[in-house]
Amino acid sequence: AQSVSQHNHHVILSEAASLELGCNYSYGGTVNLFWYVQYPGQHLQLLLKYFSGDPLVKGIKGFEAEFIKSKFSFNLRKPSVQWSDTAEYFCAVNARDSWGKLQFGAGTQVVVTP
Amino acid sequence: EAGVAQSPRYKIIEKRQSVAFWCNPISGHATLYWYQQILGQGPKLLIQFQNNGVVDDSQLPKDRFSAERLKGVDSTLKIQPAKLEDSAVYLCASSLVPGGRGDQPQHFGDGTRLSIL
Repeated sequence: AQSVSQHNHHVILSEAASLELGCNYSYGGTVNLFWYVQYPGQHLQLLLKYFSGDPLVKGIKGFEAEFIKSKFSFNLRKPSVQWSDTAEYFCAVNARDSWGKLQFGAGTQVVVTP
Repeated sequence: EAGVAQSPRYKIIEKRQSVAFWCNPISGHATLYWYQQILGQGPKLLIQFQNNGVVDDSQLPKDRFSAERLKGVDSTLKIQPAKLEDSAVYLCASSLVPGGRGDQPQHFGDGTRLSIL
């Protein structure tokens, strides 16, 4: 069965620090990969996605993620975080033949202190 | 564009009561999803519609949960009777038809937070 694992449940860091959130998935076939973000009091919104091509994808607000197929990983990075990046981050995967059915990780709560 | 609309935002009921949630997807989005998000977990897909047909309901507890999308637009999710473990946020999402590649991003509503007493 498909599964998604996020390495950290809570991360606390200071403004200007670098952020990296780990995501690993288990699925034997071809997948699409997503990172969603939920800011306090807001709905889930798409941060970035990978379907094919360049394994380094750039999203909104300076975020990027790298797909490493051999490691079944899709880690999210931002070189310098801001207080406004405080949010919960979810990694999600769907199989190419799944008609869009998403499998989410448990989420990582990120708190950025001023 | 207007986003995915859900109501109510909050609902508190006692166990064994029934409850219904409503979702109106983004205009033109043929695919609609209902997720359950329990505190501390990621969203879990309950049911997926394409137009008014069910694509996947493998994780829907069919003894107590039901959902419909009669005209292929808005949708209702019902729980009857509710159990304590149903306390969660119920999210609705919509997308353009994902096709076989599953590569259409989903757009989420604000969710309904359900508390069972």
